[in-house]
Amino acid sequence: DIQMTQSPSSVSASVGDRVTITCRASQGISSWLAWYQQKPGKAPKLLIYAASSLQSGVPSRFSGSGSGTDFTLTISSLQPEDFATYYCQQANSRGLTFGGGTKVEIK
Amino acid sequence: QVQLQESGPGLVKPSETLSLTCTVSGGSVSSGSYYWSWIRQPPGKGLEWIGYIYYSGSTNYNPSLKSRVTISVDTSKNQFSLKLSSVTAADTAVYYCARGLTTVTTTPGYWGQGTLVTVSS
Repeated sequence: DIQMTQSPSSVSASVGDRVTITCRASQGISSWLAWYQQKPGKAPKLLIYAASSLQSGVPSRFSGSGSGTDFTLTISSLQPEDFATYYCQQANSRGLTFGGGTKVEIK
Repeated sequence: QVQLQESGPGLVKPSETLSLTCTVSGGSVSSGSYYWSWIRQPPGKGLEWIGYIYYSGSTNYNPSLKSRVTISVDTSKNQFSLKLSSVTAADTAVYYCARGLTTVTTTPGYWGQGTLVTVSS
């Protein structure tokens, strides 16, 4: 099974900061990587798919990059509504695996 | 826009079978070549993929749950369902149903709101 490791597990940041979250796959997954945002009591919301494609309606301050085993989600200028938990997720023929999550907190 | 809604008992006894249904509106479970998934999240923890069913009826399950999971489709009701047998307290979680973003990906792009299932006697 492919394991997904996110880092950091939490980050404290201020409004306007640039925030970067990384996700590492235990084996190569090409570009089959997605990023989700989840707020308390809500379902996850898809932000990025295919490693770098922005889902419709998602602000352009969110971007994704990477391929193979190493991936990055970047929030270019953190907004108040961006404080949430973020998950990466891989998809291959054997199924889906989520990372452990990164909580973005107010500094 | 497709919408999904989970339903089922909120409390299940240990050793019994958890049964949930996802009702789909704004789309058909039997056409469009989509993947329909179940995902769960224990309280305060991360997301765990349970399995998915393709519109054709083929399935793929998380190896750690495979022996206890069945996902099926009811085209007459435009629903798909999850059955998880021999549940324990470790199966207490919010259960989400979801649909693949497009016809060529299993990546869940559309999610239900989730339903909490507690396993307790």
